[in-house]
Amino acid sequence: GQSLEQPSEVTAVEGAIVQINCTYQTSGFYGLSWYQQHDGGAPTFLSYNALDGLEETGRFSSFLSRSDSYGYLLLQELQMKDSASYFCAVSDNYGQNFVFGPGTRLSVLP
Amino acid sequence: NAGVTQTPKFQVLKTGQSMTLQCAQDMNHNSMYWYRQDPGMGLRLIYYSASEGTTDKGEVPNGYNVSRLNKREFSLRLESAAPSQTSVYFCASSERRKDTGELFFGEGSRLTVL
Repeated sequence: GQSLEQPSEVTAVEGAIVQINCTYQTSGFYGLSWYQQHDGGAPTFLSYNALDGLEETGRFSSFLSRSDSYGYLLLQELQMKDSASYFCAVSDNYGQNFVFGPGTRLSVLP
Repeated sequence: NAGVTQTPKFQVLKTGQSMTLQCAQDMNHNSMYWYRQDPGMGLRLIYYSASEGTTDKGEVPNGYNVSRLNKREFSLRLESAAPSQTSVYFCASSERRKDTGELFFGEGSRLTVL
């Protein structure tokens, strides 16, 4: 089976940095993805790690440690529009079955 | 470029009725997926299709059937709807061979079963 854990809620102020953690227990692992979802909208892809280390995409960075079954999403220079839910997702050995975590609701305060 | 298109966007059913959710993608992707999302929860995989002609069960397949009609289209059928199937359904696609970890989602279909 596969299970993923994330904090349910995180609150931060505009301009700050926030880290959203994800731990996973899976029978097979290919990579860890991150998605953003605004209320009423569809999830949109943010970042992906297949290898250990940090991936940077603009204000967003994602980190993976395969040995610790752990990853995080780092959001810098927070903006009000970053208020949304963030999901980590693990793809299996064949990279074709994506299992999502429960999601972290980020609230950015002025 | 439409990406992933789902129909209908909203549907209300009575218990026991049947319906089919349609999904089509125009990105020439091999893999397609159906997820459901309940309030305050993550997405749970119902079925997926790694390529045309193949389908596999995900986490929560009971009460659903799927058809991969061709490379573009992947439909989800509820044969006898139950209130527990009230949810938002998302179709997604990916190009598995590129190993980008990226799923492209449709806008969602909001289903209420009374």
